[in-house]
Amino acid sequence: NAGVTQTPKFQVLKTGQSMTLQCAQDMNHEYMSWYRQDPGMGLRLIHYSVGAGITDQGEVPNGYNVSRSTTEDFPLRLLSAAPSQTSVYFCASSQRLTGEQFFGPGTRLTVL
Amino acid sequence: SQQGEEDPQALSIQEGENATMNCSYKTSINNLQWYRQNSGRGLVHLILIRSNEREKHSGRLRVTLDTSKKSSSLLITASRAADTASYFCATDEYGNKLVFGAGTILRVKS
Repeated sequence: NAGVTQTPKFQVLKTGQSMTLQCAQDMNHEYMSWYRQDPGMGLRLIHYSVGAGITDQGEVPNGYNVSRSTTEDFPLRLLSAAPSQTSVYFCASSQRLTGEQFFGPGTRLTVL
Repeated sequence: SQQGEEDPQALSIQEGENATMNCSYKTSINNLQWYRQNSGRGLVHLILIRSNEREKHSGRLRVTLDTSKKSSSLLITASRAADTASYFCATDEYGNKLVFGAGTILRVKS
């Protein structure tokens, strides 16, 4: 099992550009989440999904869009990148929404 | 902010010593979890303790939970250089999502 995979590992964008961060899991987990990690602030929930076709907002959803067409994939879209979105992004999956989370390796995003 | 709080922010100890870090939260919970993050990597789940449990062990890890004080502690005994990492607690105090603390940076010197 690969677990949770994320691509790309690193990305540099210019302000206003859009891009999609990919996340996939092969554990057949119903629940998937996106977090951002900023220095000294721990992880903050951006969006989450409780199954294919069902998504909801987390604590910091503005500027991000998600969809979940399959159980395996949960991409995160940045609509118009801003410097405030410079962060490390982690995808996670779990068997229960607030149970043990399995994290991907992260995507380090810099917006210039 | 919905974040929990951890202390200390940073901890530096010698190999073989014990390390204790603490986590506090604001409302009631069903469970509290601890995660480890090595530099530049994703978080790894260490242990989950339910609200009706007071103590839980896993190898060299001991977690306690005091719901009356809304706090938890993680004890790592006989620490090793490989334990150097950031440690985060996470609670489900807001229902349908996990809330992570800001973390404790542990450095174990060999």
